[in-house]
Amino acid sequence: AQKVTQAQTEISVVEKEDVTLDCVYETRDTTYYLFWYKQPPSGELVFLIRRNSFDEQNEISGRYSWNFQKSTSSFNFTITASQVVDSAVYFCALRSGNTPLVFGKGTRLSVIA
Amino acid sequence: AAGVIQSPRHLIKEKRETATLKCYPIPRHDTVYWYQQGPGQDPQFLISFYEKMQSDKGSIPDRFSAQQFSDYHSELNMSSLELGDSALYFCASSSHHAGTNTGELFFGEGSRLTVL
Repeated sequence: AQKVTQAQTEISVVEKEDVTLDCVYETRDTTYYLFWYKQPPSGELVFLIRRNSFDEQNEISGRYSWNFQKSTSSFNFTITASQVVDSAVYFCALRSGNTPLVFGKGTRLSVIA
Repeated sequence: AAGVIQSPRHLIKEKRETATLKCYPIPRHDTVYWYQQGPGQDPQFLISFYEKMQSDKGSIPDRFSAQQFSDYHSELNMSSLELGDSALYFCASSSHHAGTNTGELFFGEGSRLTVL
C-alpha cells in the first residue's frame, strides 16, 4: 500500500523566514513519482513539482527547493524568504506507475506580514 | 495549452436531489480520475477510467456512478445527495502512452458542490 505522511498540520511563520514542509512516503514499488501541490484559498490545486524515483537530484526553482532522499523516504519542500502569498495548504503526493495519486493530509502554511 | 475543464464550477442542491459533474480531459489524454475533497481534508480518490473502461475504484459511494464517453469526457453522477457530499470535486487526466506518460496528473479547477 502507498502512503504519504505530512506530520505538520499547520505552520505559521513571519514573512521572510525560511520554512520547510516535511513529507515522508511509503511504497513497495521501485518506480514511483512524488509531487507537491499548492492549494490556495480559492481551491484549485497548483502543481509545483514532480520527481521520479530514479532522480534524486535536488531541485531549486526561485524561492522553492526540494530535497529528495530515498534513504529516508522523504521529499521535503523548503520555501526561502517566505511571502504572504505563500499562505496556502501544501500537499505532498505519491504515484506508482499508472495508479491514482495518493495525497498526504496537507500542511497549512500561514505567512504573517 | 488546453487544460482539464470541469463544469459546473459551483452547484447547489437540496438533500436527496441528484447532481451531475462533467469533466473534459486534456486532448489525447486517455485516463480520467475523480477526486473528492471535503472541507479541511485531502483529496480522496473516487474512481478512474482508462480508454472508457473503469480502471481503478476508490472510496466512491454506491450512490455515485461515473463513466467515460467515446470523446473521453467523463461524468460523475451523484444521487440521493447527503449533506456530507458537500465537497470540492476534482477531475484529473493523464496519458498512459509511453511517449507522453510523465506520471503527472493534470487537475481541473474543481467543481464545488453544496448540499443544503
